Formats: sequence, structure tokens, C-alpha cells
Amino acid sequence: AAGVIQSPRHLIKEKRETATLKCYPIPRHDTVYWYQQGPGQDPQFLISFYEKMQSDKGSIPDRFSAQQFSDYHSELNMSSLELGDSALYFCASSTRGSGTYQETQYFGPGTRLLVL
Amino acid sequence: LAKTTQPISMDSYEGQEVNITCSHNNIATNDYITWYQQFPSQGPRFIIQGYKTKVTNEVASLFIPADRKSSTLSLPRVSLSDTAVYYCLVSFSGNTPLVFGKGTRLSVIA
Repeated sequence: AAGVIQSPRHLIKEKRETATLKCYPIPRHDTVYWYQQGPGQDPQFLISFYEKMQSDKGSIPDRFSAQQFSDYHSELNMSSLELGDSALYFCASSTRGSGTYQETQYFGPGTRLLVL
Repeated sequence: LAKTTQPISMDSYEGQEVNITCSHNNIATNDYITWYQQFPSQGPRFIIQGYKTKVTNEVASLFIPADRKSSTLSLPRVSLSDTAVYYCLVSFSGNTPLVFGKGTRLSVIA
């Protein structure tokens, strides 16, 4: 079965540079979530989109922005990178569902970002 | 959001049944209980979800008492490949973001 695709899988950047992470959800999934997981930490929610509109916002720094495109893929844009931004960035996708239960989120393999 | 508390770590031998209990005293009426599994450097993976009583699927069972203030994930006959971090999450129905607390690091020993 098709899974969530993330690219690139690994990325090395210098401080103050910019980075763009891409996420391609499972076909027919209309909701995308972004999570950040620092070394030894638990995943933290950043932001989510439904039908190209932002639906929830978590602990996403102002230096980061994201959007969802008409084909439902999403991009996380990160500017003025800091050493503390080094982490695994996961994208997850789900269908919208009827709201009677928590929709399963399917996670991608993640992008490992290293800021030097 | 209901806060969850689960053991930091657990050890088990291969072939044993493992039960991981999560407490969520402030669970709300509309909250569901969901468990995810995460291997190192991989994205979390859905294991099981329930609202009350017992739910079973091909990999695990979830036991939820009547007061829903706790839940127990049961993994039958674990193998080395079950070594992972297990997260208990409580969330509203629908498409709310997942709020990960401190998971339980399960180590399966041969």
C-alpha cells in the first residue's frame, strides 16, 4: 500500500540558511500534519492542514511556515535555521473522517535535518 | 487535553505477554484512547484505538475499565522486533493533532 513520502530524507544546512521539506500524503488523504522530534525527545506537533487550509497550529516557530497545495502535498519552509532546529521532521496524513472517532494518522519516514 | 502517565521503561523476555498501563484521570467524554509504536528514527505507527471495554486487533489488545481513567495495552508473546517506544494518547474524536507525552520504552530480551 502507498505510504506517506517525505523528501529529502536527510538534509544538512548551516546556521541562518533556509530549508524546505516536502510531504506527499497517502492518496485520497486530505489532511496533513507536521511534527518535530528532537534528539531523545517525543514528537511535538507543529501545524496541520485540511483541504489546503491551516486547521491547527502547535509549537511552530515564526521562522517556519507551511502550506498545502492543490494536489494535497505539503511543504514546510524553515528560515534562519538555528542549531536547535536539528531534529527529525515527520509528516503524517489522514482522511477527514466523520468526527466520531480519532482518525488514524499515518506517518512518513521523516526528514532528518542537521544544522551546523 | 487529558494528561497521560505511563511507565518510562519496561523489560520483557521474548515470548512473554507485556501489559503497559496508562493513566488518564482527566479523560473527557469525547476522548478516544490511542496507542502508537515508534522504532528508532522511524515515524510513529498506529497500533490500536478504543473508547471503552476491550478492543482487539491482529497485533494487540486494549483494555479500558468502565471509568476510563486508565487503559492497558497488551502485547501477546513479544519478540525482539517489538522493542520500541509505545505512546498512549488521549484525544478528541476527529482530526485533532496528536499530543505525545512520555512514552514507554519497551526492551525485549532474548
